[in-house]
Amino acid sequence: DIQMTQSPSSLSASVGDRVTITCQASQDIYNYLNWYQQKPGQAPNLLIYDASNLETGVPSRFSGSGSGTKFTFTINSLQPEDVATYYCQHYENLPLTFGGGTKVEIK
Amino acid sequence: QVHLVQSGDEVKKPGASVKVSCKAYGYTFPGQGISWVRQAPGQGLEWMGWINTYNENTHYAQTFQGRVTMTTVTSTSTAYMELRNLRSDDTALYFCTRDQTAPGTMDVWGKGTTVIVSS
Repeated sequence: DIQMTQSPSSLSASVGDRVTITCQASQDIYNYLNWYQQKPGQAPNLLIYDASNLETGVPSRFSGSGSGTKFTFTINSLQPEDVATYYCQHYENLPLTFGGGTKVEIK
Repeated sequence: QVHLVQSGDEVKKPGASVKVSCKAYGYTFPGQGISWVRQAPGQGLEWMGWINTYNENTHYAQTFQGRVTMTTVTSTSTAYMELRNLRSDDTALYFCTRDQTAPGTMDVWGKGTTVIVSS
């Protein structure tokens, strides 16, 4: 199984800050990577697919980059409504696996 | 609009089975696949498996092989996930998701069904 390692596991930042989360795959997954946001008490929501494509309706302050084994997710100007846990997920092969999550809080 | 409606929360005893339903609205069913994902309390996300809603071909995570069955009923646009021989560590929130024609990108999620396994 491909292991997805996210860092940091949690972070605290101020409104307006740029926030960066990294996700490392245990083997080459090309660009077969998605990012999800899960707000407290809610189901996850797809934000980024194919490593860098913004899902329809997702604010442009969210972005993703990377390929191969190293990926980055960025929130360009953190907003209060971005408080959530963010997960990466690969789909290079089965089983699909998720990173452990990054909990983002407001300082 | 496109959404998935899951069945209600369940409480089961160890060794029992649970069958969770997921009714699709707002898009053509059969069409894209359905993946099931679970989340234990305070934990991350775990993919359980995927079903092709056209021909009911399935891919199950090894962890659940032999204990899980995913099915669909086209006439009601509903997918089902049955988990058997429940253990306490199956206590979790179970999500159905709209996936692609191969397992990959889950773009619509149900609100989740809580399954509690307790004696």
